[in-house]
Amino acid sequence: SAVISQKPSRDICQRGTSLTIQCQVDSQVTMMFWYRQQPGQSLTLIATANQGSEATYESGFVIDKFPISRPNLTFSTLTVSNMSPEDSSIYLCSVEDRGVQQFFGPGTRLTVL
Amino acid sequence: EDKVVQSPLSLVVHEGDTVTLNCSYEVTNFRSLLWYKQEKKAPTFLFMLTSSGIEKKSGRLSSILDKKELSSILNITATQTGDSAIYLCAVEAQAGTALIFGKGTTLSVSS
Repeated sequence: SAVISQKPSRDICQRGTSLTIQCQVDSQVTMMFWYRQQPGQSLTLIATANQGSEATYESGFVIDKFPISRPNLTFSTLTVSNMSPEDSSIYLCSVEDRGVQQFFGPGTRLTVL
Repeated sequence: EDKVVQSPLSLVVHEGDTVTLNCSYEVTNFRSLLWYKQEKKAPTFLFMLTSSGIEKKSGRLSSILDKKELSSILNITATQTGDSAIYLCAVEAQAGTALIFGKGTTLSVSS
């Protein structure tokens, strides 16, 4: 199965700042997904990131707030912009490996003060 | 609207008990149903069930897909404290699409 790493593992940020989360995969994958898990909630998809095209955002998520880059088939970044305490969540990237099932990165725990 | 519903939302059992977690779904298209275990941050993959693979087993864990009832169960026998976690059920509508998650079942196993 694909091995996924995320950086940072956790961060505490001030209101109004931005944080960029990196997701690195050890093999080339077509589909990468970014999820958010707010405290006590389940996972919600933010966007789907395909290499060579703009990310596709889910309802309620916009590019200005969550810009995503996908420069190649092994890497993606998610930026959380102009943060507020409501953005405090676990952010997870996932990939579909060989069209079989999705694997998740270790996650980034973000706290916004 | 596609949705996945899990029950119960939380469960407390004693070591050695057997538990059954439920997942039902209403989706426009169905490709697979997946179970994950989440202990800290990242969900860990447990099982994937499809029309061609409706029953899976791994050690004390097993899962069955009922395509007629649009549901699945996850069984854990002889529970251990290490089984304490959130168990997430998710449905994949089509290959390469994002997963639709239920709210999860929080399982607590006491010694």
